[in-house]
Amino acid sequence: QSALTQPASVSGSPGQSITISCTGTSSDVGGYNYVSWYQQHPGKAPKLMIYEVSNRPSGVSNRFSGSKSGNTASLTISGLQAEDEADYYCSSYTSSSTLEWVFGGGTKLTVL
Amino acid sequence: EVQLVESGGGLVQPGGSLRLSCAASGFTFSSYWMHWVRQAPGKGLVWVSRINSDGSSTSYADSVKGRFTISRDNAKNTLYLQMNSLRAEDTAVYYCAKTSSGSYDYWGQGTLVTVSS
Repeated sequence: QSALTQPASVSGSPGQSITISCTGTSSDVGGYNYVSWYQQHPGKAPKLMIYEVSNRPSGVSNRFSGSKSGNTASLTISGLQAEDEADYYCSSYTSSSTLEWVFGGGTKLTVL
Repeated sequence: EVQLVESGGGLVQPGGSLRLSCAASGFTFSSYWMHWVRQAPGKGLVWVSRINSDGSSTSYADSVKGRFTISRDNAKNTLYLQMNSLRAEDTAVYYCAKTSSGSYDYWGQGTLVTVSS
């Protein structure tokens, strides 16, 4: 079971919007609504940003939004701020025989 | 406030064993499924193992199956990961994570396991 596919890096200027994609298969992203997104700053633990495809936990800015189409999920960050610079990971439940949950390889977001 | 505090990491020789602990507080530990997730230095997150709320069901990534054992003591609000036959590729920061609505809503700070001679 390979990791979900994310772009290695994305960048944007303050105030702009960016979208990070997360491509899987019908056995994971496409088959379940258990897609979540995590933000990780260097040396820190990951933080939940989106759960069940498009839901925001309490306390997470509404600048973060999630969606899914077919086997691809997306995280959009609008109104980019310097503090958004971090690594972002998607995750999904999977019906794979080799594991139960799978992560994407991670995307480094650079705020220019 | 939910808190997850891992401990037990350290340097171990290949083939050795280590037991990680994750002390939970601030929520009803016995009601939630728990996971271990690891991150090798400079690499991404990788799911390792899962245990259900009463400990009757477990699941493992193929890469650790037969070598690692996840368990929990709901009376002590503690999650464990027994790691045997450790390999260099098991070197990573190990996080315990609480799950809710199919996601990891709280994470510990992580504990570093280094497998090296």
